[in-house]
Amino acid sequence: GESVGLHLPTLSVQEGDNSIINCAYSNSASDYFIWYKQESGKGPQFIIDIRSNMDKRQGQRVTVLLNKTVKHLSLQIAATQPGDSAVYFCAEKRGYSTLTFGKGTMLLVSP
Amino acid sequence: DGGITQSPKYLFRKEGQNVTLSCEQNLNHDAMYWYRQDPGQGLRLIYYSQIVNDFQKGDIAEGYSVSREKKESFPLTVTSAQKNPTAFYLCASSNPGTSGGPTGELFFGEGSRLTVL
Repeated sequence: GESVGLHLPTLSVQEGDNSIINCAYSNSASDYFIWYKQESGKGPQFIIDIRSNMDKRQGQRVTVLLNKTVKHLSLQIAATQPGDSAVYFCAEKRGYSTLTFGKGTMLLVSP
Repeated sequence: DGGITQSPKYLFRKEGQNVTLSCEQNLNHDAMYWYRQDPGQGLRLIYYSQIVNDFQKGDIAEGYSVSREKKESFPLTVTSAQKNPTAFYLCASSNPGTSGGPTGELFFGEGSRLTVL
């Protein structure tokens, strides 16, 4: 597969644990945020998004938290499974700008 | 099924050659994008197009060229001027997000891996 995970921050968890992946974003004026999951050798897949008028949004087994005061975004994955192992990217944008991606975090889930 | 198709998945190039990566989408999206991904780094925007016959440079456009003659197609040419072209290239498309901006959720292809020999 593709070596997109080299030199990335890595989070290692046991199957069944809850995972929290953090992201510090750069632009205090950003109004839209999104999390992507990228498995080895594949393109990124949408997980969940959130707008700046919210501080929390829940999906299936995932929750995104937004703290605009400290420009921090987090992705919480409940009951982590081996299939959740991947690189996770946050991205931000403001208005008509294009998305700006973070460097990513590798999540490793042990059975 | 609707989606984005990139080809080829793997491509080898000799130094000094131009190569073209194909990207086709049948999602009827207006906007299309090309990103470059290097190990340990995030996605960096090369070019994007919000409408047919129009495109804009992204953050790392030098050594690349694109065209947008059809809504469903956005090929990327990696020219000999690109000094370090070995990378994983991702194409994406989107429709305007509900926030009113031109980029809502991006839908990605499976990528093309270019290696310069």
